[in-house]
Amino acid sequence: QTVVTQEPSLTVSPGGTVTLTCASSTGAVTSGYYPNWFQQKPGQAPRALIYNTNSKHSWTPARFSGSLLGGKAALTLSGVQPEDEAEYYCLLYYGGAQVFGGGTKLTVL
Amino acid sequence: QVQLVQSGAEVKKPQSSVKVSCKASGGTFSSYTISWVRQAPGQGLEWMGRIIPILDIVNYAQKFQDRVTFTADTSTSTAYMELSSLRSDDTAMYYCARSSAGTFDIWGHGTLVTVSS
Repeated sequence: QTVVTQEPSLTVSPGGTVTLTCASSTGAVTSGYYPNWFQQKPGQAPRALIYNTNSKHSWTPARFSGSLLGGKAALTLSGVQPEDEAEYYCLLYYGGAQVFGGGTKLTVL
Repeated sequence: QVQLVQSGAEVKKPQSSVKVSCKASGGTFSSYTISWVRQAPGQGLEWMGRIIPILDIVNYAQKFQDRVTFTADTSTSTAYMELSSLRSDDTAMYYCARSSAGTFDIWGHGTLVTVSS
């Protein structure tokens, strides 16, 4: 059973920078896992932010960026805004199957 | 702009089945993939599998392989997810999402399925 691991929770101050990571139990995450990142606020459906490691949607704020970092997929928020407080999920592709991480609850405080 | 409109909330008895629909409004499925994702109350997202409607190809997550069936009607741009042998831990919000170029760019609003005797 493949497990995708994220930090359960992180706290960041407004205007600060924070990096969320996404690790795979199968080993280092590469671009071949096509990492995706989603944001979900309470009572809402998830919203796509980043796909294929570092590609942004037209609606993705510029302060969000994706990368690979130390064998993990990473989502960096620079200049965090209060409205960025949310749950963030990564999604990795395993050749026909996809697996979500457990999510990171980001608190802006 | 395409929207995915899902069917309404369902309350089901244990051991019964549920069928959730997901209709593309304002567009068609074309060559897209439709994935199904569920979220139990207070829990994370769980990928259930996907269907490519135009090719009728399906992939199921191993966990659901024996109990879930995805179908699609391209003439009405509607995808369906049927889950059988329901248990209380199947109580969740079920989402459909359109997969395009490696991302899930459009999501349905979700369908709450409650399993209770």
